[in-house]
Amino acid sequence: GEDVEQSLFLSVREGDSSVINCTYTDSSSTYLYWYKQEPGAGLQLLTYIFSNMDMKQDQRLTVLLNKKDKHLSLRIADTQTGDSAIYFCAVSFNSGNTPLVFGKGTRLSVIA
Amino acid sequence: DAGVIQSPRHEVTEMGQEVTLRCKPISGHDYLFWYRQTMMRGLELLIYFNNNVPIDDSGMPEDRFSAKMPNASFSTLKIQPSEPRDSAVYFCASRRATEAFFGQGTRLTVV
Repeated sequence: GEDVEQSLFLSVREGDSSVINCTYTDSSSTYLYWYKQEPGAGLQLLTYIFSNMDMKQDQRLTVLLNKKDKHLSLRIADTQTGDSAIYFCAVSFNSGNTPLVFGKGTRLSVIA
Repeated sequence: DAGVIQSPRHEVTEMGQEVTLRCKPISGHDYLFWYRQTMMRGLELLIYFNNNVPIDDSGMPEDRFSAKMPNASFSTLKIQPSEPRDSAVYFCASRRATEAFFGQGTRLTVV
């Protein structure tokens, strides 16, 4: 089945850019997502990208997709302390009519 | 819309007791998912429904787990009997088209 891998931890200084990386195994993945989870809360959908796109930008967030290498990244510009959370990469295939498969999440710590 | 609503937010129960978790999906969403989150295993899909019909329950760990969706606005996940290893956060999510939204989760502790 599909496997999604992320590094577990990332620490950055406030004001710097954060880059969270994700790799996946299924080349037929059609939608790729980033979710954010704050302590004690559910998963908040941040953004997603369709597999025929290379990049998507939404305010401070930039998603890059390298389909050849099956690599997805999330860049957060001007990282703030409020961005400290766990970030999950998720993929679905079959035109999105299948459940999301999640990575284990990257814990982002922002140092003031 | 209020989003996906789960209840209770926290549940503490004794081993052997029956536990029922509830979910109200976002109106108009045709998919509903139940996930379980633990430190060791991350987010695991338990079961999902399309238009109230269970599609895949292969993630349900044992026969002690069951889920129903009697109508488009309500689903339950039941554990009977509960065991300490069932302690986790259980999430419900609903989806229409490409976007899936999660509830706040139910933190279950079985002692």
